[in-house]
Amino acid sequence: DAMVIQNPRYQVTQFGKPVTLSCSQTLNHNVMYWYQQKSSQAPKLLFHYYDKDFNNEADTPDNFQSRRPNTSFCFLDIRSPGLGDAAMYLCATKGDYNSYEQYFGPGTRLTVT
Amino acid sequence: AQTVTQSQPEMSVQEAETVTLSCTYDTSESNYYLFWYKQPPSRQMILVIRQEAYKQQNATENRFSVNFQKAAKSFSLKISDSQLGDTAMYFCAYNTDKLIFGTGTRLQVFP
Repeated sequence: DAMVIQNPRYQVTQFGKPVTLSCSQTLNHNVMYWYQQKSSQAPKLLFHYYDKDFNNEADTPDNFQSRRPNTSFCFLDIRSPGLGDAAMYLCATKGDYNSYEQYFGPGTRLTVT
Repeated sequence: AQTVTQSQPEMSVQEAETVTLSCTYDTSESNYYLFWYKQPPSRQMILVIRQEAYKQQNATENRFSVNFQKAAKSFSLKISDSQLGDTAMYFCAYNTDKLIFGTGTRLQVFP
C-alpha cells in the first residue's frame, strides 16, 4: 500500500549529538512537511518542501535543517539537540498545494538524554 | 492570518452515546477546506472527515458528521454511537498551503 514511512519510530540521542530522522513516501507527492509535536499539543510546522524548493517557517530554529535528495525521501537533521527538542516528529505529504489532504507518517519519538 | 480555536481541552462520553466537539476558525478567504484529524495515543494521525467551504451540505462519514456554519465560522464534529476506539486526541484544522491546527480536544470514551 502507498504510504508515508518514518524511521526510526523511536530515537534516543544525547544532548548536543547530531541526529537525523528519515521520512519516505510511495505516494509520489510533491509536497513534504515536517512537524514537531510536543506532548498534548498540536503539531507545529517546521518546514516543507514543494518538490526541491525548501520553505522554512519563520520561527523554526537554525538547529533544525532538512534535506530532500529525491521525491521519495526527506530528512530532518537536528544539529545539536537540546532537552527541549524532545518531541514527536511527524512527516506528512500532499500531492500538490491544491490537494486537500495531508497524509501523515506514524512519527518518530525523539528522546534527548 | 487564519486561526483555529478548540475550546474544549477534554471531553468524555459513554460508549454508544453521542458527543460533539467544537471548533471555530477565522479567515478572510471564501473558499477553503476544513478537517478533523484523529490521533489515538501513540498512533498515527488520520483524517476523520473534511468539509469544503463552498459546499453547504454538511459532510458525513459513517458515525462522524460535521455541523458547518460558514457565516459563524464554526465547524463542530459529532460522533454518534461512540466506541472505545474513538478515544483519541481530535484536531480541527484549516487548510491553506499548510495545515493550521487547533489545540486539540482529548476525547475519552468509557464503557
